[in-house]
This record gives sequence, C-alpha cells and structure tokens, in this order.
Amino acid sequence: EAGVTQFPSHSVIEKGQTVTLRCDPISGHDNLYWYRRVMGKEIKFLLHFVKESKQDESGMPNNRFLAERTGGTYSTLKVQPAELEDSGVYFCASSQPQLAGNTGELFFGEGSRLTVL
Amino acid sequence: DAKTTQPNSMESNEEEPVHLPCNHSTISGTDYIHWYRQLPSQGPEYVIHGLTSNVNNRMASLAIAEDRKSSTLILHRATLRDAAVYYCILILYPNTDKLIFGTGTRLQVFP
Repeated sequence: EAGVTQFPSHSVIEKGQTVTLRCDPISGHDNLYWYRRVMGKEIKFLLHFVKESKQDESGMPNNRFLAERTGGTYSTLKVQPAELEDSGVYFCASSQPQLAGNTGELFFGEGSRLTVL
Repeated sequence: DAKTTQPNSMESNEEEPVHLPCNHSTISGTDYIHWYRQLPSQGPEYVIHGLTSNVNNRMASLAIAEDRKSSTLILHRATLRDAAVYYCILILYPNTDKLIFGTGTRLQVFP
C-alpha cells in the first residue's frame, strides 16, 4: 500500500514568488493534515481537512497560505507570495476516519523542503 | 492542551534497552499518550499510544504510571535505526487528533 506522498521533495524559490506543494494521502483516509517545521523550531500544526472540508485551520500563519482539497483526495498548499520566514519543511499526514477501534495514528509523508531566497 | 516534558537527549549502545521518559503532570482523564519518532530526513512516524494500561507492540512498549502523570517508552533492544527524535504527545482523542509536538528527545545509538 502506498504511503503519503508529497511533491516536490525540495523547492527553491525567490522571495515574492509562488509555490504550490502537493500531498497525496493514503487511499481511503478522510483526514488530511498539514504541518511544518521552520528552521530551529518545533513541528507546528497548520490545518486539518476532513474530506474536502477544512475542519481546523487555526495553525495557518497568515493569508499568504492557501490550502485546498478539492474532491477530498489530494491536497495542495500554496504560498503566495513567499517570504524568507516561510522556509522550512512542510509535512502532510493522513489518517482514517475517527471510528471506534481506530488508533488515531497519523501517517506522515517525507515532507517538502521549501527554501525561499 | 496539556504539556509534556522530555529530556533533550539520551544515548544508548546498540542492543541495549532504552527507557525514554516523559512527564505530563497536567494530563486530564481523557488525554491519550502518543509517541511518535522522526528519523533523519523523514516525516514523523507513529510508535505507540495508550490511555491507562501498559501497551506493547512490535516497535516498543509503553509503561504508564498509575497516576498517569508520567510515562516511559521502552525500546527493548536498540538498533542503529532507532536513532531518532522521540516525541511524547497528549491527545484529547477522539475530540481531536491534532498533534502538538514539543522538542522531543534525541536518541543516539552507538554501535
């Protein structure tokens, strides 16, 4: 079974440009999350989708960040315009629907490293 | 969200047991204790979780104190591949499954 896949693995862009990160969750996982680690800091929650709906976007830093999950399958995270402080690693995770007996385990992708110059 | 406290780093020799402690003195009755780890250049990986009773799986064991104010992740025989940052996280599941990562414990394993 394929795990969570993220693309690109590394992106280098100039300040002010736009970048779109993509995440393909594990098939059948309704829950999809975005997290990020900026340099020297802890991994922070950004937002949570349940299918195509945003369940919790309390961690989104500002309106330069836009996440979508059209059709409830893959998700994109767009940063426009990118700033230097956006550099870091962006992780996507997915999990099964919350049902009795689920462990609540999140499956993470390997991350997309973003470098803003 | 209840906070956890872990040592910044620990060391072990290969094939020895490792006990990774976590303090969570403000834990509430419905918080689950989850452990994740992050290997170098990879995303976090689920290890184990529990509520009140000790738990075992193929990766590790989780020993939970009777008052639930602390827990210990036990790797029975450390391997070089176990070198990672280990995170102890409290989750008010199933109300939320949002993970709040702290600084974790960086485990070094020596041959």
